[in-house]
Amino acid sequence: DSGVTQTPKHLITATGQRVTLRCSPRSGDLSVYWYQQSLDQGLQFLIQYYNGEERAKGNILERFSAQQFPDLHSELNLSSLELGDSALYFCASSLRTAYNSPLHFGNGTRLTVT
Amino acid sequence: AQTVTQSQPEMSVQEAETVTLSCTYDTSESDYYLFWYKQPPSRQMILVIRQEAYKQQNATENRFSVNFQKAAKSFSLKISDSQLGDAAMYFCAYRSAGNYGGSQGNLIFGKGTKLSVKP
Repeated sequence: DSGVTQTPKHLITATGQRVTLRCSPRSGDLSVYWYQQSLDQGLQFLIQYYNGEERAKGNILERFSAQQFPDLHSELNLSSLELGDSALYFCASSLRTAYNSPLHFGNGTRLTVT
Repeated sequence: AQTVTQSQPEMSVQEAETVTLSCTYDTSESDYYLFWYKQPPSRQMILVIRQEAYKQQNATENRFSVNFQKAAKSFSLKISDSQLGDAAMYFCAYRSAGNYGGSQGNLIFGKGTKLSVKP
């Protein structure tokens, strides 16, 4: 068990809808990362937060947004969903942003857009 | 930008045998971390082993070891005495030591190698 909790485990929704994915980092970890895993694109970095502030952005669409709350949990909001957004969304956390602070991954949220 | 390449989409090994998974990467940085993650059918991402670029000694974790060739930008994973539970997707990943292009701290993954273990 990595200590990173993601909810829900599975999500099925229709095109055009909006969903929110939730992540609780390991106790004490200040940094949260979101990744998208799809069959054709592999694992893609979306966005990173550290202690409530956005630190880095990757290949995140404008329809997607995220935030990290004072209690350090994070939410990833996906709107105007398209079929191509179907993927496994991972959250990871680390104590710091330094490269020698290992990332611990949650079990992911499987999003299916129909 | 850094890239990670895993040239073997699928590999197969006999139980108790040894298998090596390949990974190459491209970077202009001198300080970084390299990782191998395992993703079993349960889909959880499990850290297998990691290597700091400034360390010449190859990392080892029980049956897992790496062959890190910094000049060649190669980072292969060797699994000895393969077990049925080793069957999974294996991802090689790179992590920069600095903040380049907004990539502070995040991992850059290869496409993965699917490992099958035959009993």
